[in-house]
Amino acid sequence: GENVEQHPSTLSVQEGDSAVIKCTYSDSASNYFPWYKQELGKRPQLIIDIRSNVGEKKDQRIAVTLNKTAKHFSLHITETQPEDSAVYLCAASTETGGGNKLTFGTGTQLKVEL
Amino acid sequence: DAGVTQSPTHLIKTRGQQVTLRCSPKSGHDTVSWYQQALGQGPQFIFQYYEEEERQRGNFPDRFSGHQFPNYSSELNVNALLLGDSALYLCASSFWGAGNQPQHFGDGTRLSIL
Repeated sequence: GENVEQHPSTLSVQEGDSAVIKCTYSDSASNYFPWYKQELGKRPQLIIDIRSNVGEKKDQRIAVTLNKTAKHFSLHITETQPEDSAVYLCAASTETGGGNKLTFGTGTQLKVEL
Repeated sequence: DAGVTQSPTHLIKTRGQQVTLRCSPKSGHDTVSWYQQALGQGPQFIFQYYEEEERQRGNFPDRFSGHQFPNYSSELNVNALLLGDSALYLCASSFWGAGNQPQHFGDGTRLSIL
């Protein structure tokens, strides 16, 4: 089955700096890659996703890149703010019939320091 | 527009007992997936329901079972509880259809086994 590895496990940056989180996946059939932000005690919130027919996607300060050949994808956050502090979860998914299951990485704890 | 709701928020059980967790999907969604999130880990896929049938299942024992009702709501049942079942149980809802569909999560049920 699919296996997703995520690095780093913790990341500390200064406010205004950029943060990059990287994930690798094992199943070449995976074709959908969402990123979730999970604040302490709260639900994972979908912040951006990318499909395998696209190499990069941006949404304001957040961008995701995908390298299908190398089987890795990354989350880029620019101009970080204290409210960006949270656990970030990457996932990979393969469509099966009309449904899909998400295989998650172990998460990155991002801390944005003032 | 109501999001995904789960009940109860917290639950304490003892080993060997049985538990039922409930989920109502986001308005308009017809597919419900369940995930188990251990402390400090990413969510792990348990199973997915559509049209009242289990469509996909992750690597969980038969002690974990589920149900989906005609109104798309769902239950997760766990029998013969073990200490290792202590975790946050997350429900996610989505549309069933061609192509990977984004999954939206509820706040989860925190299950503690004594």
